[in-house]
Amino acid sequence: NAGVTQTPKFRVLKTGQSMTLLCAQDMNHEYMYWYRQDPGMGLRLIHYSVGEGTTAKGEVPDGYNVSRLKKQNFLLGLESAAPSQTSVYFCASRSSTGTSGYNEQFFGPGTRLTVL
Amino acid sequence: DAKTTQPPSMDCAEGRAANLPCNHSTISGNEYVYWYRQIHSQGPQYIIHGLKNNETNEMASLIITEDRKSSTLILPHATLRDTAVYYCIVSPYSGAGSYQLTFGKGTKLSVIP
Repeated sequence: NAGVTQTPKFRVLKTGQSMTLLCAQDMNHEYMYWYRQDPGMGLRLIHYSVGEGTTAKGEVPDGYNVSRLKKQNFLLGLESAAPSQTSVYFCASRSSTGTSGYNEQFFGPGTRLTVL
Repeated sequence: DAKTTQPPSMDCAEGRAANLPCNHSTISGNEYVYWYRQIHSQGPQYIIHGLKNNETNEMASLIITEDRKSSTLILPHATLRDTAVYYCIVSPYSGAGSYQLTFGKGTKLSVIP
């Protein structure tokens, strides 16, 4: 199993450009998440999905859109990139089953995005 | 969600036990304590979780005080590969929830040869 993969690994954008980050998981997980991590900071939740066809806002959703058309994929879109969106983006997935309290999220390797 | 307080950095000699403290004095009854770590710039990795009892797995032990206001993650024999940022997170485990995790700044653990 590849686990959680993210495409691309690196990207440089100019202000105003758009792009889509792809997250794919092969573990048949119901839950998927997009986080961003700025230098020296912890991760902050952007959007999440509790199942195919569903999405919800996290802590910092402004400037981003998401879609979950297929269970294994979770897309993060930037319609008009801004320098403030320069960050490392992590995707994660989680199973809906498990023992009480078990909340292991499996993370991808990250996408390093720079907006000039 | 309850907030956590962790020291920003700690050092540990290789082969010794690393004890990472976390304060979560406002934790509520339905909130679990989770520990994750992030090695260099990789994605975070789950370590262990607990509610009120001490827990142990192949990676670490988690000691939660009786009043649940603080906890300690113990890496019994730290190696250089354990150098990472360690995050203590408290979060409710709810059947109808998003199970989202709120990451603070964590503790940067440096294992020294």
